Amino acid sequence: DTEVTQTPKHLVMGMTNKKSLKCEQHMGHRAMYWYKQKAKKPPELMFVYSYEKLSINESVPSRFSPECPNSSLLNLHLHALQPEDSALYLCASSPWRGRPGQPQHFGDGTRLSIL
Amino acid sequence: AQKVTQAQTEISVVEKEDVTLDCVYETRDTTYYLFWYKQPPSGELVFLIRRNSFDEQNEISGRYSWNFQKSTSSFNFTITASQVVDSAVYFCALYGGATNKLIFGTGTLLAVQP
Repeated sequence: DTEVTQTPKHLVMGMTNKKSLKCEQHMGHRAMYWYKQKAKKPPELMFVYSYEKLSINESVPSRFSPECPNSSLLNLHLHALQPEDSALYLCASSPWRGRPGQPQHFGDGTRLSIL
Repeated sequence: AQKVTQAQTEISVVEKEDVTLDCVYETRDTTYYLFWYKQPPSGELVFLIRRNSFDEQNEISGRYSWNFQKSTSSFNFTITASQVVDSAVYFCALYGGATNKLIFGTGTLLAVQP
């Protein structure tokens, strides 16, 4: 079982809906990440939180809004998404972004489909 | 610029064959880290190994082995006596100080036929 838990596993939403993806880890990691992965492509980094503060935003459209309420939780709020946003969304965590080269541990992902 | 190249898009082998997945990287950093991840159809990326740029020792873990050669900027992954459960996409990745990000290769889809 993965130590990074993502919910829901699958999500289908219309372009006018608002939904949220959730990610939780209890490994004491202080860096958390959101990635987007299209079919047959590698993961693409979206956001990085370090000590609950946003440290990297890879020029992601504002219809994606991340939130880190505490050191164990990471949310991704979705609003007015486009069909091209359909993808697998992966959450990851690592001990501390300031310690370079620590492996990131990934969740199972949320498969998002936009109608 | 940092880059990871996995030239093999898809590999198909029969169970019990040995298979090597190639990874070539580019970086100007003197300190960097290399990773391999496995992604089965379920979607989760499973961490397999990390190597730092100062440690060129090869590593073996069960049926898995890794060959790191700085002279050729390669970090290849060999599975001995492959099994159907090894079927997955395998990603090689590079982490360097310049970007502070994990740079993934395009992945190699390994299909192990029974």
